[in-house]
Amino acid sequence: DQQVKQNSPSLSVQEGRISILNCDYTNSMFDYFLWYKKYPAEGPTFLISISSIKDKNEDGRFTVFLNKSAKHLSLHIVPSQPGDSAVYFCAVGQGAQKLVFGQGTRLTINP
Amino acid sequence: DAGVTQSPTHLIKTRGQQVTLRCSPKSGHDTVSWYQQALGQGPQFIFQYYEEEERQRGNFPDRFSGHQFPNYSSELNVNALLLGDSALYLCASSLVRGRGTGGPETQYFGPGTRLLVL
Repeated sequence: DQQVKQNSPSLSVQEGRISILNCDYTNSMFDYFLWYKKYPAEGPTFLISISSIKDKNEDGRFTVFLNKSAKHLSLHIVPSQPGDSAVYFCAVGQGAQKLVFGQGTRLTINP
Repeated sequence: DAGVTQSPTHLIKTRGQQVTLRCSPKSGHDTVSWYQQALGQGPQFIFQYYEEEERQRGNFPDRFSGHQFPNYSSELNVNALLLGDSALYLCASSLVRGRGTGGPETQYFGPGTRLLVL
């Protein structure tokens, strides 16, 4: 019973173009949504978050979109840079409780 | 500003043994959560500690136990190790009261402890 799904295990994007990573969840009670980036041999690094009262949050090159009716969130990175190559996890939570993670999408930025 | 630290970084144990992993939260944080990440998977929630008590638990057996100390640091103990316990164990800290940099619910992760059970 996967509550959070990232359906693309991998994504390859040209440097300078837009990267779009997607995530679907099943439980409408979730009210906090986050994206983490992970390099090999490191812990996940917090990137950006959004609460259920918003539908968009921007931080520099990163924008997260939330579609509550579709139970879908996405992360846009523009322009993509080689240093963005990593595994990206979406995570959802309710209040300050546990986070439920997707399985991750490996993003590769090609020069 | 010190981030989340974990020790040890790597550990090798044999089946049936017991292991203790340690975590120091980010400065100013009061809540510690533990996650297990198997190869190719996302982190799975084990449990969360706040005010030295376990406030929520994931779907893990009683072999997994923990503790939080008055200084907010935490330990994860695993008894009777199985081969399937081999994984990266991640600690995350957050701030329940007030707001952290990313919001009250944002959890910040340490580098993890890689456990190999032979």
